[in-house]
Amino acid sequence: DGGITQSPKYLFRKEGQNVTLSCEQNLNHDAMYWYRQDPGQGLRLIYYSQIVNDFQKGDIAEGYSVSREKKESFPLTVTSAQKNPTAFYLCASRPGELSNTGELFFGEGSRLTVL
Amino acid sequence: GEDVEQSLFLSVREGDSSVINCTYTDSSSTYLYWYKQEPGAGLQLLTYIFSNMDMKQDQRLTVLLNKKDKHLSLRIADTQTGDSAIYFCADSYSSASKIIFGSGTRLSIRP
Repeated sequence: DGGITQSPKYLFRKEGQNVTLSCEQNLNHDAMYWYRQDPGQGLRLIYYSQIVNDFQKGDIAEGYSVSREKKESFPLTVTSAQKNPTAFYLCASRPGELSNTGELFFGEGSRLTVL
Repeated sequence: GEDVEQSLFLSVREGDSSVINCTYTDSSSTYLYWYKQEPGAGLQLLTYIFSNMDMKQDQRLTVLLNKKDKHLSLRIADTQTGDSAIYFCADSYSSASKIIFGSGTRLSIRP
């Protein structure tokens, strides 16, 4: 079945370590997104990519990095520079600019906890 | 910058109607969305409305859009325990590349 797969679902990290969250989609969507969710703050956009080998910073990109070497993959690295990385991370995708409604399709999320 | 605002909590009695409200700032929105999030999961699209519409009905769901006041609402008729979730309002504004989400409204159902 088509969909978006995020892994791992739960991740624990020590302070000072970089971690990479995986996001893979087999929907043939052009655009992919990373959001961060904190209680009471909704979803905040970290990075997004509209095509392969291109990506843009969202509202809270500091301390994060991404790559888009393949259409189906958009990994997110949480670096040691991110001061408060404990959060629930959501990856999403959608078809290109000409899609009808612009609906986002979400993965099940990855919960990162810094010890 | 562009912003979407919602209240954080709503509690309703089982069988009553729930009305979740949202305000947005972008005057050139194309689509506005309602997403639902179950505990510990991703978001799923519930419904959407095109900006040139005033109302959309889909079974128990009714979406009302007041463009003059930049106000969007979601009404859930005959609310059931399975409707307990966080509901997000979202705005696909003029750039079409970004979708801005509100803070989410946690709907709880009491017997």
